[in-house]
Amino acid sequence: GAVVSQHPSRVICKSGTSVKIECRSLDFQATTMFWYRQFPKKSLMLMATSNEGSKATYEQGVEKDKFLINHASLTLSTLTVTSAHPEDSSFYICSASNRGTSSYNEQFFGPGTRLTVL
Amino acid sequence: GENVEQHPSTLSVQEGDSAVIKCTYSDSASNYFPWYKQELGKRPQLIIDIRSNVGEKKDQRIAVTLNKTAKHFSLHITETQPEDSAVYFCAASMNRDDKIIFGKGTRLHILP
Repeated sequence: GAVVSQHPSRVICKSGTSVKIECRSLDFQATTMFWYRQFPKKSLMLMATSNEGSKATYEQGVEKDKFLINHASLTLSTLTVTSAHPEDSSFYICSASNRGTSSYNEQFFGPGTRLTVL
Repeated sequence: GENVEQHPSTLSVQEGDSAVIKCTYSDSASNYFPWYKQELGKRPQLIIDIRSNVGEKKDQRIAVTLNKTAKHFSLHITETQPEDSAVYFCAASMNRDDKIIFGKGTRLHILP
């Protein structure tokens, strides 16, 4: 099956710093990547949709200047949490899909990145 | 936008019994309904999915039913085992944007 990786798996940073999270599709080309955040014991909340070579589409209530998304290639999308604060501490998960396959709705999830802001 | 409601939030069943989780969705344009199992600190795992052109799908102990008219779908797990204990999420998606909208999740406990 399709494999999606994320790096780093865990990150601890000081308040006010920026953190970059990478999402890679390892064995397929991802035309679209999605970024979610998940608070403890809560559901996955979609933050933004990222299409290769174009600007990300953010969900209502998600600050685009706070969460910078870049999808520079068909195998890599990055999420940068700028000026991180303790309330940004969460589990961030990416997913990738490829409209070129028959399962065009299916998304393949990365293992997630746990961000802790001190 | 799409809204997915999921019930119950917590479910405890005796090992060997069946578990049923129910979801409703709001947008009739949704046509893809995946179910995910998530263990603590791990990624969601797709366990079964159904598209709007079928009413039922089964894979061993897991089955999903879809009622497009009522806009609800359900997950059925039979002969539950301890390893079925996890959080289960239903979700809905549509061709238009491929976004997957998740329900709030059901924490399933299998009791010995």
